[in-house]
Amino acid sequence: NAGVTQTPKFRVLKTGQSMTLLCAQDMNHEYMYWYRQDPGMGLRLIHYSVGEGTTAKGEVPDGYNVSRLKKQNFLLGLESAAPSQTSVYFCASSPSGSSGDTQYFGPGTRLTVL
Amino acid sequence: RKEVEQDPGPFNVPEGATVAFNCTYSNSASQSFFWYRQDCRKEPKLLMSVYSSGNEDGRFTAQLNRASQYISLLIRDSKLSDSATYLCVVSGNTPLVFGKGTRLSVIA
Repeated sequence: NAGVTQTPKFRVLKTGQSMTLLCAQDMNHEYMYWYRQDPGMGLRLIHYSVGEGTTAKGEVPDGYNVSRLKKQNFLLGLESAAPSQTSVYFCASSPSGSSGDTQYFGPGTRLTVL
Repeated sequence: RKEVEQDPGPFNVPEGATVAFNCTYSNSASQSFFWYRQDCRKEPKLLMSVYSSGNEDGRFTAQLNRASQYISLLIRDSKLSDSATYLCVVSGNTPLVFGKGTRLSVIA
């Protein structure tokens, strides 16, 4: 039982390049989330999904797209990377959207955009 | 007013000390409250949920004051391994709202 995994762990991009971050969970959770964490800003929700085939915007969705084609996977895409997207990206999942649910986080992806 | 506010610290305390963190939240409709712990360059992990009646888990005690909209975390007999950032988390309009965290350093 691996929990939540993220690929890749590190990545360096040039401005304008695109990439996709992959999140996978093996806990059969319905909800999945993408956050970014920047110094002094805390965790900010980018997009989330309440189930396979659904996505919703979070607090800071601009510049990102997501897809949830399979229940266990949640992909975060950057179509044209900008230096402002340099950050640590965390994926998380929870059994449901109940406010009492624990969120389980992946180990993070450290992205640098030059 | 920000949704969840915490003193960023750092709190530098000697081993064995008792330390307390507070957190305030703005959404009076919030129903669930948590403390997460985040070690340096690692992912956040649930430390404990916070219940209305207060709850204790070993050396850790969490309390909720709904009237004043604040949550507290008390750590007794601090260990070096308690050094981390503690995130206050509250249910809100989006799935969960995370505070920016309070950094604790326990010194030998």
